[in-house]
Amino acid sequence: KQEVTQIPAALSVPEGENLVLNCSFTDSAIYNLQWFRQDPGKGLTSLLLIQSSQREQTSGRLNASLDKSSGRSTLYIAASQPGDSATYLCAVSDTGNQFYFGTGTSLTVIP
Amino acid sequence: NAGVTQTPKFQVLKTGQSMTLQCAQDMNHNSMYWYRQDPGMGLRLIYYSASEGTTDKGEVPNGYNVSRLNKREFSLRLESAAPSQTSVYFCASRPGQGLNQPQHFGDGTRLSIL
Repeated sequence: KQEVTQIPAALSVPEGENLVLNCSFTDSAIYNLQWFRQDPGKGLTSLLLIQSSQREQTSGRLNASLDKSSGRSTLYIAASQPGDSATYLCAVSDTGNQFYFGTGTSLTVIP
Repeated sequence: NAGVTQTPKFQVLKTGQSMTLQCAQDMNHNSMYWYRQDPGMGLRLIYYSASEGTTDKGEVPNGYNVSRLNKREFSLRLESAAPSQTSVYFCASRPGQGLNQPQHFGDGTRLSIL
């Protein structure tokens, strides 16, 4: 069974800092990997999806990388803002319909 | 543009009661999913429907049933609620099986079972 781990569980940074969130998975036979954002009391919002054949995806200040062979993905957030404060989750898909989520990293950006 | 709508948003049940959680999407997506989110456990897949007329078990299906009523609606039923089913339940949808398209989530149903 796929196991997804996110470290650290919580992170606090001053505004303007660049930061990296980590996601690791145990089975490299994945279909894709997604990064989500979850605000308190809300559902998940998809940020980036990386297909298994891709190495990275970018959207604005966000860049996600994927290293399937080592079972790792990183989410890089440039020039962090207080509005970036949220929980960030990663999820991997094996066949396209089974998704396995990490427990998330709670990010606080201090003004 | 509503996206994925879940009802109710909050519910309190007593042990042994039954309940159906409703989910509807207006994006013409083929695939729909039910997850539960518990502290320290992450989201876990309960059931999914790859297309209208089909349903399959996920990681934690025991104690639940689902119905794909039509392409828009996918309901989750608890026949005899147990305290271990206290959780936040999320419905999600995506265009279709095997496609590299992101899931779209509803805002969740917060369910407490006493």
